[in-house]
Amino acid sequence: NAGVMQNPRHLVRRRGQEARLRCSPMKGHSHVYWYRQLPEEGLKFMVYLQKENIIDESGMPKERFSAEFPKEGPSILRIQQVVRGDSAAYFCASSPRDKSYNEQFFGPGTRLTVL
Amino acid sequence: GEDVEQSLFLSVREGDSSVINCTYTDSSSTYLYWYKQEPGAGLQLLTYIFSNMDMKQDQRLTVLLNKKDKHLSLRIADTQTGDSAIYFCAESIKGNNDMRFGAGTRLTVKP
Repeated sequence: NAGVMQNPRHLVRRRGQEARLRCSPMKGHSHVYWYRQLPEEGLKFMVYLQKENIIDESGMPKERFSAEFPKEGPSILRIQQVVRGDSAAYFCASSPRDKSYNEQFFGPGTRLTVL
Repeated sequence: GEDVEQSLFLSVREGDSSVINCTYTDSSSTYLYWYKQEPGAGLQLLTYIFSNMDMKQDQRLTVLLNKKDKHLSLRIADTQTGDSAIYFCAESIKGNNDMRFGAGTRLTVKP
């Protein structure tokens, strides 16, 4: 059973370009979470999705950021018109059920560098 | 304060015990977690504790919870070089979707 997969592992973009980060949850998991980790900081919650639904996006910036988890395929975190401050590690986690007990399994992360 | 707080660095000798401390924010926190992150990897859940417990032991790991002081600690007995990693403390509240993390403690184990 493969773990949570994220790709690409490293992504370099110039200011103003778009970044697309992909996350494939563990088999059987229908809940996906995205977190951002800035250097020397802990992970910050961004968004929580179930298949075809955004459940909680309270941690996601209102502009330029969007997330989806379609019926088929991976979850996508999309950042439009990237700026240098978007440089960070973005982690995806998945869980098999709702967060009464929060056993989240994390992917290896995508490290985004904005030049 | 509003942040989960941890000291940033800890260095121990192989074979000694390591104690990593964390102060969390919300007395309503239901679950408290310790995650381990090795270089270039994602976070691995090490252990967790429910807020109605004071202590949990799992092989070399002992978690202590002081709810009054909102203080959580992770003790690693007989620390090995393979334990060198960043350890994150996290809290969550039942019914909420977010999990709040500390900045991580970088544990270095010297031979």
